[in-house]
Amino acid sequence: DGGITQSPKYLFRKEGQNVTLSCEQNLNHDAMYWYRQDPGQGLRLIYYSQIVNDFQKGDIAEGYSVSREKKESFPLTVTSAQKNPTAFYLCASSIDPPTGVKDTQYFGPGTRLTVL
Amino acid sequence: DAKTTQPPSMDCAEGRAANLPCNHSTISGNEYVYWYRQIHSQGPQYIIHGLKNNETNEMASLIITEDRKSSTLILPHATLRDTAVYYCIVRFRMDSSYKLIFGSGTRLLVRP
Repeated sequence: DGGITQSPKYLFRKEGQNVTLSCEQNLNHDAMYWYRQDPGQGLRLIYYSQIVNDFQKGDIAEGYSVSREKKESFPLTVTSAQKNPTAFYLCASSIDPPTGVKDTQYFGPGTRLTVL
Repeated sequence: DAKTTQPPSMDCAEGRAANLPCNHSTISGNEYVYWYRQIHSQGPQYIIHGLKNNETNEMASLIITEDRKSSTLILPHATLRDTAVYYCIVRFRMDSSYKLIFGSGTRLLVRP
């Protein structure tokens, strides 16, 4: 059963702590993305990766870091430098990189992070 | 850069067609129109996309005007499960990469 998984669904952390959100896909997609969604708002792009060992900043990369050591995994670390980390975080993937023909993005179920 | 305008909310009766409009008057020739929907507290679900021609799949139909300045997503027989926020997105090109710009969307309520 192919798809994108994110874990955990809910995550609570104390202020000042780094936290890593997991995103795994078994769709054999080359590209992966991280978005942030705040209540009542649309999605904003944090980082994206077109291929293994490569990633680019999106619109709101400050305070976040990513890695892409394996094709199927794209973890996001929310660092203490992120001023307002409480949000709903969504991971997505696409067959091709953003400039490709098959670049429709498919989303995971999301992780709701609350910083106390 | 192209942006989209959607009504903030709409409603329709269960079993009837839901027609969701979207304006994208500054769209350029090589930009696609994508539609996603998001049910509360879940990840967005891809629905359909198109460039110039009308498109249909098992979920919906997409009607794009000839001048490409607007489009309509049609859910032919809406069910209660179609209640969600629907996003109309133009694929925006920046620095040789394409990104999806999500706006506020249209909140569709399907009434029993």
